[in-house]
Amino acid sequence: AQTVTQSQPEMSVQEAETVTLSCTYDTSESDYYLFWYKQPPSRQMILVIRQEAYKQQNATENRFSVNFQKAAKSFSLKISDSQLGDAAMYFCALGSSNTGKLIFGQGTTLQVKP
Amino acid sequence: DAEITQSPRHKITETGRQVTLACHQTWNHNNMFWYRQDLGHGLRLIHYSYGVQDTNKGEVSDGYSVSRSNTEDLPLTLESAASSQTSVYFCASSELRGAEAFFGQGTRLTVV
Repeated sequence: AQTVTQSQPEMSVQEAETVTLSCTYDTSESDYYLFWYKQPPSRQMILVIRQEAYKQQNATENRFSVNFQKAAKSFSLKISDSQLGDAAMYFCALGSSNTGKLIFGQGTTLQVKP
Repeated sequence: DAEITQSPRHKITETGRQVTLACHQTWNHNNMFWYRQDLGHGLRLIHYSYGVQDTNKGEVSDGYSVSRSNTEDLPLTLESAASSQTSVYFCASSELRGAEAFFGQGTRLTVV
């Protein structure tokens, strides 16, 4: 079975500082994808970043980057220069290349302090 | 622009009633999914479909059903609503191999 675990229910960061959200996963598949989604109070699910498991290079999208450790099955999200608009719940998700199913973690609520 | 829409956005229903939540996508995606979101559990997969006439059970499918008669729609039916089914429900669609999923705005369902 595929599982995703986010062990930090809540995190806080000072505006302009850097924060890292943790995610671990488990899968028996060799071909899969990993995602971070952001859910602001509006409830809309927004894709932040995507990583293909076969790529060794860590994905980066502007202030957002990941640390993908395939052997450790770890996929953390780093947010640099945090902004007030980054305050949201963040979900880590594991996608199967065979089935297309997305399995989500429990979520981490990020608070950004001015 | 292509989109995925859910209706209604909010619904209150009584225990024992049948409820149907609508999901319509114009992405022309074959894959469609229904999730429920509950505090402490993240999003849990209820049912999913790979195409017309195809439906599959997810990890929390008891008490729910879906049908896929065309590419665009995947309605979710609660056969006999229970208070444990009070939740926020999300519909999503994606291409098959690892592409991002596109989500609807969610439906907040309250069963009283």
